[in-house]
Amino acid sequence: DARVTQTPRHKVTEMGQEVTMRCQPILGHNTVFWYRQTMMQGLELLAYFRNRAPLDDSGMPKDRFSAEMPDATLATLKIQPSEPRDSAVYFCASAPTTTDTQYFGPGTRLTVL
Amino acid sequence: GEDVEQSLFLSVREGDSSVINCTYTDSSSTYLYWYKQEPGAGLQLLTYIFSNMDMKQDQRLTVLLNKKDKHLSLRIADTQTGDSAIYFCAERFGGYNKLIFGAGTRLAVHP
Repeated sequence: DARVTQTPRHKVTEMGQEVTMRCQPILGHNTVFWYRQTMMQGLELLAYFRNRAPLDDSGMPKDRFSAEMPDATLATLKIQPSEPRDSAVYFCASAPTTTDTQYFGPGTRLTVL
Repeated sequence: GEDVEQSLFLSVREGDSSVINCTYTDSSSTYLYWYKQEPGAGLQLLTYIFSNMDMKQDQRLTVLLNKKDKHLSLRIADTQTGDSAIYFCAERFGGYNKLIFGAGTRLAVHP
């Protein structure tokens, strides 16, 4: 049963610290998405990649957030420095080209104190 | 701009049918999706419908699409307590598979 995996599942950190979240897309999926979910804003698309190239990161605060795909099996989302307002659940999703249906990982719950 | 709207809460009795409604704005949307999120979990794809279809049925789930009114609904027959979750409607926007999500409808199933 192929699934998107994310690590860590939970992260508590202090303001100003660097946070790195990792995602392993489903093998063979060539499109990867990063979303943020908060009570106030709901689900927001932060960035997405196709064939490891960034296609759109307009939803991401550029000054502190960065997203990369060092290889086809790993996507990372980094926040430096982190702030309390970054507290949220961050989801990764992947999709194959053929159907483009997105499959979500379990999320990383980030708390910035 | 593109927008997806859903009612925030629905309460039903176990065994009854649930109908969750959604409206969207982008008439060029090709696919519309329903996702389910249980507490502490990620989003699980329930079903999707292509824009040239009016209806899609999958076991207890029935999706109805009214393109003229840009209205999408999800009907769950014989609703069970395990169906209690948040249900998200999403439309595919643009050529790069960008999904726009609604705020989610919290479904509460009571005995």
